[in-house]
Amino acid sequence: GQQLNQSPQSMFIQEGEDVSMNCTSSSIFNTWLWYKQDPGEGPVLLIALYKAGELTSNGRLTAQFGITRKDSFLNISASIPSDVGIYFCAGQLGTNAGKSTFGDGTTLTVKP
Amino acid sequence: NAGVTQTPKFQVLKTGQSMTLQCAQDMNHEYMSWYRQDPGMGLRLIHYSVGAGITDQGEVPNGYNVSRSTTEDFPLRLLSAAPSQTSVYFCASSPTRWEGTIYFGEGSWLTVV
Repeated sequence: GQQLNQSPQSMFIQEGEDVSMNCTSSSIFNTWLWYKQDPGEGPVLLIALYKAGELTSNGRLTAQFGITRKDSFLNISASIPSDVGIYFCAGQLGTNAGKSTFGDGTTLTVKP
Repeated sequence: NAGVTQTPKFQVLKTGQSMTLQCAQDMNHEYMSWYRQDPGMGLRLIHYSVGAGITDQGEVPNGYNVSRSTTEDFPLRLLSAAPSQTSVYFCASSPTRWEGTIYFGEGSWLTVV
């Protein structure tokens, strides 16, 4: 099956710093999604990307759908303590929304 | 405005016992699915349903059964629990099969001893 390589696995940053994480795949996807998971809760969708080359922002978050359709990145600018959590990328192939392949997550720690 | 509701939140089972994790959504979503999340890993799809009466296997279906008799409910059954099924289980729903926005429940923590 398809696999996603998400990196880095974890990040320890200072409040105010910018963050960048990415996902790569050996096969193409039609949709890339980025989720955030807080402790004890389910993942919450941050950004959805539907077109190769698409660059989308949601507040301090910016994500891009790679031109090759095999990668995506997520940037967080001016991090704040509430950005702490696990960030997951997910790729979808075809028209099946729930058949997403998830990366293993990037755990973000923000030091005040 | 409940969204996706899962019960129970926590459960401890003995090896060989069976149980059902309940999932209900009140958003009239067509698409529902079950994932499991193991420590340090992403979510892996167990089973999914594109509508009432239709179910299909995901990436890791062995040891689990599902049914979708109504649009609202999508229960996950563990037939004979094994320690390898110790995990956090998430139910999710999506408005249509083509919609990328998936809404997750809060999770069910299952321990099999």
